[in-house]
Formats: sequence, C-alpha cells, structure tokens
Amino acid sequence: QVQLVESGGGVVQPGRSLRLSCAASGFTFSNFGMHWVRQAPGKGLEWVTVISYDGNNQYYADSVKGRFTISRDNSKNTLYLQMNNLRAEDTAVYYCAKQGYGDLSFDYWGQGTLVTVSS
Amino acid sequence: SYELTQPPSVSVSPGQTARITCSGDALPKYAYWYQQKPGQAPVLVIYKDNERPSGIPERFSGSRSGPTVTLTISPVQAEDEADYYCQSGYRSATFYVFGTGTKVTVL
Repeated sequence: QVQLVESGGGVVQPGRSLRLSCAASGFTFSNFGMHWVRQAPGKGLEWVTVISYDGNNQYYADSVKGRFTISRDNSKNTLYLQMNNLRAEDTAVYYCAKQGYGDLSFDYWGQGTLVTVSS
Repeated sequence: SYELTQPPSVSVSPGQTARITCSGDALPKYAYWYQQKPGQAPVLVIYKDNERPSGIPERFSGSRSGPTVTLTISPVQAEDEADYYCQSGYRSATFYVFGTGTKVTVL
C-alpha cells in the first residue's frame, strides 16, 4: 500500500533554514508528480509546491517562491523541501502528497510534520 | 489570484443530506474534494468532479453546474463530521488552489 512518511520538522528561529524529507513506498515513485501542502494551526490547506515525476519542473506558490526549493531523489524514493529564510507565517503542518494518476488530485497524503518558526 | 469559495459551516442531522458548494470565477475543468478529520491528514473523496476513489462510500457524490461544484453526502452519518475542502489546478497544472473549507457538523 502507498505510504508517505515525512520527517525533519521542528522548532526553528526566524531567518533560519530547515529541510523536510518524505519517504515514499508502495508505488513507482519515479512515475508521479509530488507536492508539498501545508496547514497553519487552525487554518485551511495551502498548496506550497509541486515537482514533476522526473524532477525537471518545479512550481511554487507566491508565498514561498525564492525561499523554498523542492527536489526529489528517485533512486531513494524520497522527496525534499528545503526551506530558507523562514518566517513566523511559515509555521504549519507540512504534508507531502502524491499526484493522482492522470489528474490533478492529491490521492495519497503523509501524516504531516510540524514546523514551528519562533524566536 | 484564484479563489475557491465554500460556506464556512454546514449542519445536518443523521440520515439527512449535506450539500457543500465550491465556486470560483474560473473553476477549471475538474474539481476534487477532500475530507479531513481532526488531527488527521486529508483524504480524497471525489476526483474529476464526480468520481469516487475505491473505498469511499457511495453516500459521497459530486456534481457541477456552471461555475459551482457540489459535494453531496447522503445519508449523512455521524462519522462524516469533518472539514471538507474542494481543490483544483490552474495554468496547465503549475498552480493549485484549495477552497476555504467547510466544517460539517452532524447534529
């Protein structure tokens, strides 16, 4: 069965960096686009970024453009999110999500990892 | 910017019908719906407007009328109490948006 397991969250000071990882299993990782979606405490879902199946294309929400970088290692079935220059408003649970087959859905999600940006 | 608007809350008695709308100025060809229970990750319940993933009960259905898509839950059960989000993709799948979310309360 499909499993997505995020790691790397924690408490970080404003302006610092953090890297999240998402280990995938149960499907052919290299065949699917992958996303990061976040949810601030008590708030709704916000799409953050997507990377194509081969890693050649990445797209970002305006709120993180220039600060966050998505990448993947298909040999390790792992997705990454490098977050630089973190701000208080980046505080959220970060989910990795698999793109649906042939559509624009997020058909499987990880359990999420909490990032808290605070001094 | 793109926005998908949902009602903040819907209240319904068990056995009745809950309808959650999602509207946007430029709602793309397809919309998707997610259920999120407290402390849990979202779960896809409807894809491509009205298709149900395997394992999702038949009481969940989706429809579209013009610029509005609707998630219908009928008959509602107590376990359906959750937050629900619509979602779509824009600009040739380079940008994605979630709706504002609707809290469904089962009375």
